[in-house]
Amino acid sequence: GQNIDQPTEMTATEGAIVQINCTYQTSGFNGLFWYQQHAGEAPTFLSYNVLDGLEEKGRFSSFLSRSKGYSYLLLKELQMKDSASYLCAVTDSNYQLIWGAGTKLIIKP
Amino acid sequence: DTAVSQTPKYLVTQMGNDKSIKCEQNLGHDTMYWYKQDSKKFLKIMFSYNNKELIINETVPNRFSPKSPDKAHLNLHINSLELGDSAVYFCASTTGGDTGELFFGEGSRLTVL
Repeated sequence: GQNIDQPTEMTATEGAIVQINCTYQTSGFNGLFWYQQHAGEAPTFLSYNVLDGLEEKGRFSSFLSRSKGYSYLLLKELQMKDSASYLCAVTDSNYQLIWGAGTKLIIKP
Repeated sequence: DTAVSQTPKYLVTQMGNDKSIKCEQNLGHDTMYWYKQDSKKFLKIMFSYNNKELIINETVPNRFSPKSPDKAHLNLHINSLELGDSAVYFCASTTGGDTGELFFGEGSRLTVL
């Protein structure tokens, strides 16, 4: 079966750095997405990786290793507004988007 | 201007009723989706429409029927509502292709009593 694993919940301190991991087992791979979802709101796009390596976008970076079926989202200089769920999603060989359950990130002052 | 809009945002109804949720996108996208997000927060795809053709129909009950009058609209009609249908339903659209970023509507929270 197809599976996306990410931690259920993480806690970090304002101003710090946090890394949210995602591992996947899918039938084929055509890219990995990270989305941010604040409570009661819709998911919004953060990043897309299809090649191995690190993609940096401001305070957020996303890393991919296709051979390991592994990605992480790195958030720097954490702000209270970063408190949200972070969803990892993989496009399989049929271009179906498979979603993880999300990681709830709690930022403390 | 809202890119993807859905109505209503909140819907409370009794078991056995029929209800509809509407979705409109003004992004000119070719593909629209309906997702269900339950209390465990998994996003489960229900339907996808590309240029008015159904291209994905996951194993959802036939009580759920998508209707697309044109490529900017994808409505969701639900017959004979059940308690387990309570969830947040998200509409989304994309230009398609393998790098297609999804743009989500604000969600419609359905509560079946």
